[in-house]
Amino acid sequence: AQKVTQAQTEISVVEKEDVTLDCVYETRDTTYYLFWYKQPPSGELVFLIRRNSFDEQNEISGRYSWNFQKSTSSFNFTITASQVVDSAVYFCALSASYGGSQGNLIFGKGTKLSVKP
Amino acid sequence: DSGVTQTPKHLITATGQRVTLRCSPRSGDLSVYWYQQSLDQGLQFLIQYYNGEERAKGNILERFSAQQFPDLHSELNLSSLELGDSALYFCASSGGGQGLYEQYFGPGTRLTVT
Repeated sequence: AQKVTQAQTEISVVEKEDVTLDCVYETRDTTYYLFWYKQPPSGELVFLIRRNSFDEQNEISGRYSWNFQKSTSSFNFTITASQVVDSAVYFCALSASYGGSQGNLIFGKGTKLSVKP
Repeated sequence: DSGVTQTPKHLITATGQRVTLRCSPRSGDLSVYWYQQSLDQGLQFLIQYYNGEERAKGNILERFSAQQFPDLHSELNLSSLELGDSALYFCASSGGGQGLYEQYFGPGTRLTVT
């Protein structure tokens, strides 16, 4: 069965601190996709990144970076120099790349990040 | 703005009633997904449609049903509503084949059952 675990329920940091959100996943598939979504207080879900299981290169986008390690089944998300606008709930998600459940997202419980000024 | 629209934004109804939630996917997207977000269960996949056909079912109750129309918009029908059905219902869409691409979510419909 597929499962995503975000062990950190809530994190609170002060502006300009770096923060890493952890994500551990379980799947028996050899190919799959991993995602991060952001849910700000307004409630919408905003797509941040998609990573294919066969591509273990880390990715950086501005203050955001992602570290994918297949050996430890982890896909961690780091925000550098956090800002108040980063305050949100962040979800990690997994989907199969084939079969009946292809495309359906399995979400973790989310990590609520509070960035204080 | 993701390009996915959902109506209505808020819905308040009584137990036992039936409601319809509507979703218009991003232009060109053939796949539509419905998800439920509640405090108890978190974000759960309900059902997926691709170009008018049902492709996959998740934790969708028998009291719930959905369809995707020829113009690709989708509707989620919830009947015999219970207090526990109160949740935020999201629609998402994706392009390409069967969901290999990232899903873009609509703003959600907040359903309150009293």
